[in-house]
Amino acid sequence: ETGVTQTPRHLVMGMTNKKSLKCEQHLGHNAMYWYKQSAKKPLELMFVYSLEERVENNSVPSRFSPECPNSSHLFLHLHTLQPEDSALYLCASSQDHGGHNEQFFGPGTRLTVL
Amino acid sequence: RKEVEQDPGPFNVPEGATVAFNCTYSNSASQSFFWYRQDCRKEPKLLMSVYSSGNEDGRFTAQLNRASQYISLLIRDSKLSDSATYLCVVNPGGSYIPTFGRGTSLIVHP
Repeated sequence: ETGVTQTPRHLVMGMTNKKSLKCEQHLGHNAMYWYKQSAKKPLELMFVYSLEERVENNSVPSRFSPECPNSSHLFLHLHTLQPEDSALYLCASSQDHGGHNEQFFGPGTRLTVL
Repeated sequence: RKEVEQDPGPFNVPEGATVAFNCTYSNSASQSFFWYRQDCRKEPKLLMSVYSSGNEDGRFTAQLNRASQYISLLIRDSKLSDSATYLCVVNPGGSYIPTFGRGTSLIVHP
């Protein structure tokens, strides 16, 4: 196992619901990431946090709201999502946010928006 | 031209075969390169980094060709367990934004 956990593993929600995805890393890393993986598409970077500070917001709609209360935890708050937001949401961490670092991924949350 | 391009495959090969994938990138300033492996319905995991001098790990060899802006992954003596999607990752210099390719699917059959 990678040391990065995500909950829930599966989530089904309606377009009017509000839900949150949780990620926790036990590796002592300083950087954490949210990715979206849709079928037949490359991984899309959504957000990058370094030492609890957001350093990148990759043009993500405001219906996705990240939160990083400390360097071990990362949340993705969801509200008024669209069916096209259905995807696998992956959290990752790395020692630092420099591009030379290996990223460790969690198992992902498979989200279905009805 | 897409930032990182990979042939999605699938590459369908028999056990024991040698197979190679390429990944092209558009940013000539890119400095860090990786191959990740993703099994069906699982998360990506680092397979190997790609250094300027190349990198070999057992049956796996990764090469970087800066002049032609591509990286390659060679798998020798394919095993059934090598069946997976292989993701190419490129990091532009000075940026913390890794760019993933869409992946190349490999199916190794008996």
